[in-house]
Amino acid sequence: DSGVTQTPKHLITATGQRVTLRCSPRSGDLSVYWYQQSLDQGLQFLIQYYNGEERAKGNILERFSAQQFPDLHSELNLSSLELGDSALYFCASSVDRVPLYGYTFGSGTRLTVV
Amino acid sequence: DQQVKQNSPSLSVQEGRISILNCDYTNSMFDYFLWYKKYPAEGPTFLISISSIKDKNEDGRFTVFLNKSAKHLSLHIVPSQPGDSAVYFCAARVLGTYKYIFGTGTRLKVLA
Repeated sequence: DSGVTQTPKHLITATGQRVTLRCSPRSGDLSVYWYQQSLDQGLQFLIQYYNGEERAKGNILERFSAQQFPDLHSELNLSSLELGDSALYFCASSVDRVPLYGYTFGSGTRLTVV
Repeated sequence: DQQVKQNSPSLSVQEGRISILNCDYTNSMFDYFLWYKKYPAEGPTFLISISSIKDKNEDGRFTVFLNKSAKHLSLHIVPSQPGDSAVYFCAARVLGTYKYIFGTGTRLKVLA
């Protein structure tokens, strides 16, 4: 158990729908990161939050949004889902805003859009 | 544009032999390089790192080599064990930032 909790582990939904993925960071970590891993792709950075504030954006679609709440948990909202959004979505956390040795990852949410 | 490339999607090695996983990068503005290991149904876990000012870092059976002139990173596992069977990702940190760029991974299978 890495200490980063992601729910749900699996999600199957239809095209056009909206889903919310949830992440609880490791205790004491202030930064939360969201990554997407599609088939045969590396992990693609989506967005970072630090202590409730958005700090950096990567290749995140406009249909996707995220937020970090006062208790530091984060949610990634995916809307108007398309078949191509099917992927593993990982959340990671770190204590620092600029982590030196990478992040601690959760076990991921597998999203299947049908 | 994939700045961090792992050109071998898979590798099979006999137990007890050396496993060598390779990674190439194109950006000179990376200051730290990491290797992560990922088992099925789990998130990636940090394995070993190296600063851009070093050319080698060793931790037990794992050694990472950095060749800056060739922009090449490799992970050596010796001796390889069946429990090392996993997907290995290399990642590079953009100088002074939060951002790690990941490769696409190499699936290592260690045969007993």
